[in-house]
Amino acid sequence: KAGVTQTPRYLIKTRGQQVTLSCSPISGHRSVSWYQQTPGQGLQFLFEYFSETQRNKGNFPGRFSGRQFSNSRSEMNVSTLELGDSALYLCASSSPDGLSGYTFGSGTRLTVV
Amino acid sequence: QQQVKQSPQSLIVQKGGISIINCAYENTAFDYFPWYQQFPGKGPALLIAIRPDVSEKKEGRFTISFNKSAKQFSLHIMDSQPGDSATYFCAASRSGSARQLTFGSGTQLTVLP
Repeated sequence: KAGVTQTPRYLIKTRGQQVTLSCSPISGHRSVSWYQQTPGQGLQFLFEYFSETQRNKGNFPGRFSGRQFSNSRSEMNVSTLELGDSALYLCASSSPDGLSGYTFGSGTRLTVV
Repeated sequence: QQQVKQSPQSLIVQKGGISIINCAYENTAFDYFPWYQQFPGKGPALLIAIRPDVSEKKEGRFTISFNKSAKQFSLHIMDSQPGDSATYFCAASRSGSARQLTFGSGTQLTVLP
């Protein structure tokens, strides 16, 4: 069974640009969540999507957005990048009943210069 | 109300010893408490999880102890091995549509050979 796939693995962007990250969940998983991981702030919840609807949102500015497609694949977008957006962005998927917990991908390492 | 406090920040254990990591939470609505293991360059991987209806759960060398009245839970790694050297995160979440993982700050475990 394939795991959670995130692309790309690494990205370097310039301040002010925008970026789109992609996540393919485990087959059959309809819930996709995004987390930001930094040395200073740790792991922080960005948002969760279920059946193409944003179900929950963390405390991040509106520059951070996401969407989910009918095949459960998800993308997150960060506009007007700031140096502080440099982080590991992690996607996690879970089964509809939630009983199997969240499975994380290996993440996308974003560096803003 | 959403915080999960984790200690210690770092831990050094001899091979064969017991590693103990502690977490405390504030939000009594939390009803799912997982532990994740993360190696460098990888996403967090679910180790073991517990719900408040039991006080202890064991899977192989890993045991979660849960104290609902104290709002504390801990991870015990028995017979620690050098391959266990990683960062460990506790987390907590609620069931239902508002599911999101609130993570502790992480514990860097080093098991000496």
